[in-house]
Amino acid sequence: EIVLTQSPGTLSLSPGERVTLSCRASQSVGTFLAWYQQKPGQAPRLLIYDASSRATGIPDRFSGSGSGTDFTLTISSLEPEDSAVYYCQLYDTSPLFGQGTKLEI
Amino acid sequence: QVQLQESGPGLVKPSETLSLTCSISGDSISDQYWNWIRQPPGKGLEWIGTIFYSGSTNYNPSLKTRVSMSIDTSTNQFSLRLTSVTSADTAVYYCTRERWLRTPERDFYFGMDVWGQGTAVTVSS
Repeated sequence: EIVLTQSPGTLSLSPGERVTLSCRASQSVGTFLAWYQQKPGQAPRLLIYDASSRATGIPDRFSGSGSGTDFTLTISSLEPEDSAVYYCQLYDTSPLFGQGTKLEI
Repeated sequence: QVQLQESGPGLVKPSETLSLTCSISGDSISDQYWNWIRQPPGKGLEWIGTIFYSGSTNYNPSLKTRVSMSIDTSTNQFSLRLTSVTSADTAVYYCTRERWLRTPERDFYFGMDVWGQGTAVTVSS
């Protein structure tokens, strides 16, 4: 059974800072990984698919990288509206979500 | 613009069956993968199951004995049934579209690119 671990659990940063969120799978999933942003009271929104491709309408300050077991989501310059919970999700034989990283700006 | 809308009762009694429907607008249900995802209050996202337009399904092993999904291509809807519910099934339930591109060289995973707004379901007597 594959395990997906996100880190850190929570972080608090200031506008303009750069942040990197980590997502680690217990076995290789190639590039079958996506990142989502969820704000309170809203449905998740797709940010990154295929590990490194930005979804439609996503600002270029969001970028994804990695393959195999180690993936990162980077926000190059934080905006106040980036406060949210960020989930990674892999696809092995089925979808699996990480536990989320709460980002406070 | 593709939109998904969940519908169903907001309150279900323990031991009864939870039934939800997802209505798709702006896209055809055909040749796509469709999911149910849930989120208990204050917790993370849990995948419930996937249905392909052909009717083939894939369920979360932890829910497999209680879950069934169906699809109606004539109405562009798909549905979820979860039997024998308990308070642990209280959650916001989302339907999503999941996209793939299969090529001879490799598969491309586009993730869950469209989500419904979610519907809150409480299990309580």
